[in-house]
Amino acid sequence: QKEVEQNSGPLSVPEGAIASLNCTYSDRGSQSFFWYRQYSGKSPELIMFIYSNGDKEDGRFTAQLNKASQYVSLLIRDSQPSDSATYLCAVNSGLPYGQNFVFGPGTRLSVLP
Amino acid sequence: DAGVIQSPRHEVTEMGQEVTLRCKPISGHDYLFWYRQTMMRGLELLIYFNNNVPIDDSGMPEDRFSAKMPNASFSTLKIQPSEPRDSAVYFCASSLTVNSPLHFGNGTRLTVT
Repeated sequence: QKEVEQNSGPLSVPEGAIASLNCTYSDRGSQSFFWYRQYSGKSPELIMFIYSNGDKEDGRFTAQLNKASQYVSLLIRDSQPSDSATYLCAVNSGLPYGQNFVFGPGTRLSVLP
Repeated sequence: DAGVIQSPRHEVTEMGQEVTLRCKPISGHDYLFWYRQTMMRGLELLIYFNNNVPIDDSGMPEDRFSAKMPNASFSTLKIQPSEPRDSAVYFCASSLTVNSPLHFGNGTRLTVT
């Protein structure tokens, strides 16, 4: 059974600070990695995805991937109260068989005004 | 595109009854996933399809659960008989390819009394 681990939080940061969310995974063959944001009572929505080692930036969000360490992270710069949500990490083998898109338990982020 | 469409949005039923959840994926997406989300267990992958064929159903909890995808635009998840522990939010999601991001429907909140 493939596993994806995240700190459950809650992670509290002041408005304007950088929020750092971390995720580790067990399947060394994983190929693609995704961050989703989920507001209470809503469905998960895609924030970012990353396929290669290194950093990928999109606006205030930066995803970082280190396949050797089986670690992926999400940085949120200039955090806003509207960023308060649960952030889900998803890991995909990229193969057309077996387990795909396994989600971590999520980290609850609270941005304090 | 209308996105992934799930019905019903809410379902309340009594223990022992049959429940059928429905999903219409985004047109052209080859992959369809069913997830269950609870506070205790997070977002669990139940089953996914590729081109209407079930690929991995290792997450289906027991024989009471079954899923079908008779064509590219429709899938069902059936629980028979339902039990109170099946109460959860059930999400359907679709993706263009095995490595593409998932797009989620709004979910079905199931309550079994």
